[in-house]
This record gives sequence, structure tokens and C-alpha cells, in this order.
Amino acid sequence: EVQLVESGGGLVQPGGSLRLSCAASGFTFSSYSMNWVRQAPGKGLEWVSYISSSSSTIYYADSVKGRFTISRDNAKNSLYLQMNSLRDEDTAVYYCARVVLAAAANWFDPWGQGTLVTVSS
Amino acid sequence: QSVLTQPPSASGTPGQRVTISCSGSSSNIGSNTVNWYQQLPGTAPKLLIYSNNQRPSGVPDRFSGSKSGTSASLAISGLQSEDEADYYCAAWDDSLNGSNWVFGGGTKLTVL
Repeated sequence: EVQLVESGGGLVQPGGSLRLSCAASGFTFSSYSMNWVRQAPGKGLEWVSYISSSSSTIYYADSVKGRFTISRDNAKNSLYLQMNSLRDEDTAVYYCARVVLAAAANWFDPWGQGTLVTVSS
Repeated sequence: QSVLTQPPSASGTPGQRVTISCSGSSSNIGSNTVNWYQQLPGTAPKLLIYSNNQRPSGVPDRFSGSKSGTSASLAISGLQSEDEADYYCAAWDDSLNGSNWVFGGGTKLTVL
């Protein structure tokens, strides 16, 4: 079964740091690009960051550029998101999602169950 | 404010057909495929429709997607109570400011 399990969320003060992890299983992790997507309480989905299978291509949303760093360890089947200089508006459930590529199309499948990050003093 | 525009809410009675629209621009829907995700209450999003109109295995054929120009639609026929959820459209966006994925603001579907 293809599965993604996030961890590392919690309560952090504004300006603090947190590192999220996403453990992948049931598929060849090193063959897939991955994403982080977040959802603030009661709000919609917001794409955060993308990393290609070999880590050669990385993208960030403008809202996190310069503060967040995405990375992966294919040997450990794991995806990471290092979050620094956290702000109140970063409070959200963070999901990792596998990117499926086919021809000129791409989509996210599956998604993990999410990990809650709360930024508050 | 989301790059893709969806109605915040939709509703229907059991057995009815409902549609949810998703409006974008030439840099996203107009030049890339559209995906739809279903988020049941308290759960993670799940892929519902990919590549404009393709259903993953396990998704009932009551769900269908379409795209025309810079807009897309999700249709649900034979509405059931378990379809009550939030629905999001998404697409890749190739703008001058950089490329990234964009989502609609989500549509909360209520089954009356």
C-alpha cells in the first residue's frame, strides 16, 4: 500500500524553527517528485514547496521563500521541510503529497494524513 | 485570494446532479490540465479527478470532470450523502513570476 506519514508538527513561538518529516512506503520513493501543501484552520489548500526525484529542481511558494527549505533522503525514503522564522500565518496542517507525472499532466496522489504546526506565543 | 476561482458553496438533494466550476487563466487552466481533490470532513485531501477528466480507480463514475478554455467543471450525478465534502480544483501555473501549483479556494458541498 502506498503510504505517506508526516511527523514533526507542534507548537512553536513566532520566529522559531521546526522540521517536518514525511516517511514514504509502498512505492519507489526515489522515482517520484514530492510536494508540501498546507491548510490553515478553516481555510483552503495552499501549495508550499516542490522537490524533484533527484533534488535537482526545487520550487517554493512566495509566502515561504527564504524561510523554508525542502529536502529529501532517498536512501531513507523520507521528505523534509525545514521551517525557520515562523510566523503566525504559517499555522496550518502540513501535508506531503506524491507527484505523479504522465505526458503533459501531473497530479498529487496520495496525500499524507497531515501534521499540525501551530505558531503562537 | 486564490488564483483559481470556485464558488464557496454548493448544495443538492440526494439523487440530484450538481456541478462545481473552477475559473482560471491562460497561464494555468488555459495551458495545463486540471485536477480535482475531495476532502471529507476531518480527513486529508484525496485525488478525485486527474488530467481534466480521468478518474482514479475506485472513484465512482458518478464523478466527472471537464475543461474548456480557462475554466473547468466537476459534475456529481446521483448525489449521495457521503459526497458531502470540500472540493478543490488545482492546476500547474506557468506565470512570468515563476511556475508553481495553484488551487481553487474550495467548494463546500452540502447534501440537503
